[in-house]
Amino acid sequence: DAMVIQNPRYQVTQFGKPVTLSCSQTLNHNVMYWYQQKSSQAPKLLFHYYDKDFNNEADTPDNFQSRRPNTSFCFLDIRSPGLGDAAMYLCATSREGLGLAGEIQYFGPGTRLLVL
Amino acid sequence: SQKIEQNSEALNIQEGKTATLTCNYTNYSPAYLQWYRQDPGRGPVFLLLIRENEKEKRKERLKVTFDTTLKQSLFHITASQPADSATYLCALESYGGATNKLIFGTGTLLAVQP
Repeated sequence: DAMVIQNPRYQVTQFGKPVTLSCSQTLNHNVMYWYQQKSSQAPKLLFHYYDKDFNNEADTPDNFQSRRPNTSFCFLDIRSPGLGDAAMYLCATSREGLGLAGEIQYFGPGTRLLVL
Repeated sequence: SQKIEQNSEALNIQEGKTATLTCNYTNYSPAYLQWYRQDPGRGPVFLLLIRENEKEKRKERLKVTFDTTLKQSLFHITASQPADSATYLCALESYGGATNKLIFGTGTLLAVQP
Protein backbone atom coordinates (compact mmCIF):
# COMPACT_ATOMS: atom_id res chain seq x y z
CA ASP A 1 0.00 0.00 0.00
CA ALA A 2 1.18 3.49 -0.82
CA MET A 3 1.98 5.31 2.34
CA VAL A 4 4.02 7.75 4.39
CA ILE A 5 6.59 6.14 6.67
CA GLN A 6 8.39 7.77 9.54
CA ASN A 7 11.36 6.39 11.40
CA PRO A 8 11.93 5.99 14.18
CA ARG A 9 8.56 6.07 15.92
CA TYR A 10 10.22 7.13 19.16
CA GLN A 11 13.47 9.03 19.44
CA VAL A 12 15.30 9.92 22.61
CA THR A 13 18.09 12.45 22.45
CA GLN A 14 20.11 14.48 24.84
CA PHE A 15 19.88 18.20 25.30
CA GLY A 16 22.01 19.83 22.61
CA LYS A 17 22.77 16.60 20.72
CA PRO A 18 21.85 16.80 17.02
CA VAL A 19 19.09 14.48 15.90
CA THR A 20 17.64 13.56 12.53
CA LEU A 21 14.15 12.30 11.87
CA SER A 22 13.31 10.66 8.58
CA CYS A 23 10.27 10.40 6.38
CA SER A 24 9.70 8.44 3.22
CA GLN A 25 6.73 8.18 0.91
CA THR A 26 5.62 5.76 -1.77
CA LEU A 27 2.85 8.05 -3.05
CA ASN A 28 5.15 9.89 -5.45
CA HIS A 29 3.74 13.19 -4.20
CA ASN A 30 5.39 16.47 -5.06
CA VAL A 31 4.97 18.14 -1.71
CA MET A 32 6.33 17.03 1.64
CA TYR A 33 5.63 18.79 4.93
CA TRP A 34 7.02 18.71 8.45
CA TYR A 35 4.78 19.58 11.37
CA GLN A 36 5.48 19.85 15.07
CA GLN A 37 2.65 18.90 17.40
CA LYS A 38 2.78 19.31 21.15
CA SER A 39 0.28 17.75 23.51
CA SER A 40 -3.29 19.00 22.99
CA GLN A 41 -2.11 21.49 20.39
CA ALA A 42 -2.67 21.87 16.69
CA PRO A 43 -0.05 20.56 14.29
CA LYS A 44 2.24 23.49 13.51
CA LEU A 45 3.84 23.65 10.09
CA LEU A 46 7.62 24.02 10.25
CA PHE A 47 8.43 23.95 6.53
CA HIS A 48 7.62 22.15 3.33
CA TYR A 49 9.17 21.18 0.05
CA TYR A 50 7.43 21.61 -3.26
CA ASP A 51 9.56 19.27 -5.31
CA LYS A 52 13.06 20.64 -4.58
CA ASP A 53 11.90 24.09 -3.54
CA PHE A 54 12.18 24.63 0.19
CA ASN A 55 9.60 26.83 1.95
CA ASN A 56 10.36 27.77 5.52
CA GLU A 57 7.73 29.16 7.87
CA ALA A 58 8.63 32.58 9.23
CA ASP A 59 8.46 31.48 12.85
CA THR A 60 10.38 28.22 12.50
CA PRO A 61 13.55 28.43 14.63
CA ASP A 62 16.90 28.22 12.86
CA ASN A 63 17.58 25.16 14.98
CA PHE A 64 15.31 23.21 12.61
CA GLN A 65 16.55 22.31 9.16
CA SER A 66 15.33 19.99 6.45
CA ARG A 67 16.69 18.09 3.49
CA ARG A 68 14.96 16.40 0.61
CA PRO A 69 17.53 14.43 -1.37
CA ASN A 70 14.93 12.91 -3.71
CA THR A 71 11.18 12.68 -4.24
CA SER A 72 10.73 9.87 -1.74
CA PHE A 73 12.72 11.03 1.26
CA CYS A 74 12.69 14.04 3.52
CA PHE A 75 14.66 14.63 6.72
CA LEU A 76 14.17 16.89 9.69
CA ASP A 77 17.38 17.90 11.43
CA ILE A 78 17.33 19.48 14.86
CA ARG A 79 20.80 20.90 15.37
CA SER A 80 20.70 21.50 19.12
CA PRO A 81 17.53 20.11 20.68
CA GLY A 82 16.20 21.89 23.70
CA LEU A 83 13.69 20.63 26.23
CA GLY A 84 11.03 22.68 24.47
CA ASP A 85 11.55 20.72 21.27
CA ALA A 86 10.09 17.56 22.78
CA ALA A 87 7.01 16.90 20.68
CA MET A 88 5.46 14.68 18.04
CA TYR A 89 6.91 15.39 14.61
CA LEU A 90 4.60 14.64 11.74
CA CYS A 91 5.54 14.25 8.11
CA ALA A 92 2.85 14.71 5.49
CA THR A 93 2.59 14.71 1.72
CA SER A 94 0.24 16.08 -0.88
CA ARG A 95 0.10 15.40 -4.58
CA GLU A 96 0.39 19.05 -5.48
CA GLY A 97 0.19 22.33 -3.65
CA LEU A 98 -3.17 23.09 -2.14
CA GLY A 99 -4.45 25.81 -4.45
CA LEU A 100 -8.12 25.99 -5.16
CA ALA A 101 -8.52 22.33 -5.97
CA GLY A 102 -8.23 21.38 -2.34
CA GLU A 103 -5.41 18.90 -2.05
CA ILE A 104 -5.61 16.69 0.98
CA GLN A 105 -2.60 15.76 3.05
CA TYR A 106 -1.45 12.26 3.91
CA PHE A 107 0.28 11.95 7.23
CA GLY A 108 2.79 9.50 8.56
CA PRO A 109 2.41 8.00 12.03
CA GLY A 110 4.76 10.57 13.55
CA THR A 111 7.98 10.41 15.54
CA ARG A 112 7.74 11.16 19.23
CA LEU A 113 10.89 13.04 20.29
CA LEU A 114 11.99 13.06 23.89
CA VAL A 115 14.80 15.36 24.97
CA LEU A 116 16.64 14.48 28.17
CA SER B 1 -4.74 37.53 12.58
CA GLN B 2 -6.22 34.32 11.27
CA LYS B 3 -7.72 32.10 13.93
CA ILE B 4 -9.45 28.72 14.08
CA GLU B 5 -11.43 27.69 17.14
CA GLN B 6 -12.62 24.24 18.09
CA ASN B 7 -14.15 23.20 21.39
CA SER B 8 -11.22 22.56 23.68
CA GLU B 9 -13.39 20.56 26.03
CA ALA B 10 -13.96 16.90 25.32
CA LEU B 11 -17.33 15.91 23.94
CA ASN B 12 -18.83 12.88 25.68
CA ILE B 13 -21.82 11.18 24.11
CA GLN B 14 -23.64 7.87 24.31
CA GLU B 15 -23.27 5.24 21.64
CA GLY B 16 -25.90 5.60 18.96
CA LYS B 17 -26.31 9.36 19.39
CA THR B 18 -25.21 12.00 16.91
CA ALA B 19 -21.99 13.82 17.72
CA THR B 20 -21.72 17.42 16.53
CA LEU B 21 -18.36 19.18 16.52
CA THR B 22 -17.87 22.85 15.76
CA CYS B 23 -15.13 24.72 13.94
CA ASN B 24 -15.22 28.53 13.90
CA TYR B 25 -12.77 30.74 12.09
CA THR B 26 -12.01 34.44 11.84
CA ASN B 27 -10.08 36.56 9.37
CA TYR B 28 -10.24 33.82 6.77
CA SER B 29 -12.03 33.43 3.52
CA PRO B 30 -11.12 29.84 2.80
CA ALA B 31 -12.01 28.25 -0.49
CA TYR B 32 -12.44 24.97 1.32
CA LEU B 33 -12.24 23.33 4.70
CA GLN B 34 -11.06 19.88 5.69
CA TRP B 35 -11.70 17.57 8.62
CA TYR B 36 -9.18 15.07 9.91
CA ARG B 37 -9.30 12.37 12.57
CA GLN B 38 -6.35 11.83 14.89
CA ASP B 39 -5.96 8.88 17.22
CA PRO B 40 -3.57 9.07 20.20
CA GLY B 41 0.05 8.83 19.13
CA ARG B 42 -0.86 8.73 15.42
CA GLY B 43 -0.87 11.14 12.52
CA PRO B 44 -4.10 12.79 11.34
CA VAL B 45 -6.17 10.97 8.75
CA PHE B 46 -8.23 12.86 6.18
CA LEU B 47 -11.99 12.46 6.42
CA LEU B 48 -13.85 15.07 4.38
CA LEU B 49 -13.30 18.19 2.33
CA ILE B 50 -16.00 20.77 1.68
CA ARG B 51 -15.74 23.72 -0.68
CA GLU B 52 -17.08 27.19 -0.10
CA ASN B 53 -19.82 26.71 -2.68
CA GLU B 54 -21.00 23.50 -1.02
CA LYS B 55 -23.40 23.75 1.89
CA GLU B 56 -23.14 20.13 2.94
CA LYS B 57 -21.05 17.04 2.28
CA ARG B 58 -21.73 13.47 3.35
CA LYS B 59 -19.70 10.31 3.60
CA GLU B 60 -21.33 7.27 5.18
CA ARG B 61 -22.15 8.33 8.77
CA LEU B 62 -20.27 11.61 8.46
CA LYS B 63 -21.73 14.95 7.47
CA VAL B 64 -20.02 18.32 7.21
CA THR B 65 -21.64 21.71 6.73
CA PHE B 66 -19.91 24.93 5.78
CA ASP B 67 -21.47 28.32 6.45
CA THR B 68 -19.24 31.05 5.03
CA THR B 69 -21.51 33.75 6.44
CA LEU B 70 -21.24 32.47 9.99
CA LYS B 71 -17.62 31.41 9.34
CA GLN B 72 -18.40 28.05 10.79
CA SER B 73 -18.27 24.37 9.93
CA LEU B 74 -20.16 21.65 11.74
CA PHE B 75 -19.04 18.02 11.68
CA HIS B 76 -21.62 15.38 12.49
CA ILE B 77 -21.20 11.69 13.20
CA THR B 78 -24.53 9.87 13.23
CA ALA B 79 -25.11 6.57 15.03
CA SER B 80 -21.85 7.09 16.86
CA GLN B 81 -19.79 4.12 17.99
CA PRO B 82 -17.03 3.75 20.60
CA ALA B 83 -14.63 3.28 17.68
CA ASP B 84 -15.38 6.89 16.67
CA SER B 85 -13.61 8.08 19.81
CA ALA B 86 -10.70 10.25 18.68
CA THR B 87 -9.65 13.86 18.25
CA TYR B 88 -11.16 15.60 15.25
CA LEU B 89 -9.26 18.46 13.64
CA CYS B 90 -10.56 21.02 11.22
CA ALA B 91 -8.16 22.68 8.82
CA LEU B 92 -8.36 25.62 6.43
CA GLU B 93 -6.01 26.63 3.71
CA SER B 94 -3.93 29.75 3.99
CA TYR B 95 -2.30 31.38 1.01
CA GLY B 96 1.41 32.03 1.04
CA GLY B 97 4.68 31.07 -0.56
CA ALA B 98 5.00 28.75 -3.50
CA THR B 99 2.14 26.63 -2.25
CA ASN B 100 -0.74 27.11 0.05
CA LYS B 101 -0.72 25.48 3.44
CA LEU B 102 -3.22 24.08 5.88
CA ILE B 103 -3.80 25.72 9.24
CA PHE B 104 -5.15 23.28 11.79
CA GLY B 105 -7.37 23.82 14.78
CA THR B 106 -6.44 22.29 18.11
CA GLY B 107 -9.09 19.62 17.69
CA THR B 108 -11.97 18.36 19.75
CA LEU B 109 -11.70 15.09 21.63
CA LEU B 110 -14.76 12.93 21.13
CA ALA B 111 -15.47 10.12 23.58
CA VAL B 112 -18.32 7.76 22.72
CA GLN B 113 -19.50 5.77 25.70
CA PRO B 114 -20.88 2.25 25.13
